[in-house]
Amino acid sequence: GAGVSQSPSNKVTEKGKDVELRCDPISGHTALYWYRQSLGQGLEFLIYFQGNSAPDKSGLPSDRFSAERTGGSVSTLTIQRTQQEDSAVYLCASSLWGREETQYFGPGTRLLVL
Amino acid sequence: DQQVKQNSPSLSVQEGRISILNCDYTNSMFDYFLWYKKYPAEGPTFLISISSIKDKNEDGRFTVFLNKSAKHLSLHIVPSQPGDSAVYFCAASAGANFGNEKLTFGTGTRLTIIP
Repeated sequence: GAGVSQSPSNKVTEKGKDVELRCDPISGHTALYWYRQSLGQGLEFLIYFQGNSAPDKSGLPSDRFSAERTGGSVSTLTIQRTQQEDSAVYLCASSLWGREETQYFGPGTRLLVL
Repeated sequence: DQQVKQNSPSLSVQEGRISILNCDYTNSMFDYFLWYKKYPAEGPTFLISISSIKDKNEDGRFTVFLNKSAKHLSLHIVPSQPGDSAVYFCAASAGANFGNEKLTFGTGTRLTIIP
């Protein structure tokens, strides 16, 4: 079946603009995660959705970042008033629910803030 | 504060030989560990995992070893093949609360297999 898809694959924006990044998880996966990878860094956890539970937002770096997951499926990560330090690859992953369920990653959205 | 550390940013290994990638962690609450492999312009793909109740897990050419007392794990690939050339990420999670699956990643090691 189809894997995790993300759009756009690349996004160039100007400092101060808002951006929306989209993630379509694998059908049937109840857990959805957002991570980001800045240049030379590992993947950094941002936010986690599990079913109808309140999301774990503990990784969001500032209140400019927010995410929604509508209908338990598609998710949108929004970055308001983008800054140059927001430039990174934003990765989405989904999994079945369970401690040791494999997280399947999408190809990522490469964001460049000029 | 880097809780998962991969101190070797790169590693080159001759084809057919053993590749050993290392990872250290500082958070004693971590009890589940994973290795992911990443090719350029693709998302990471799961490779192998190990629970803290084990000290070794093997899957084909890949073996992960866990030394809890040293807070160290390693990934062995033998024999190494050209297709193994990629960036390898070590990751960990703390499962004190059931359902806490978010992963903490290391910075990655770029493995190059020399034909």
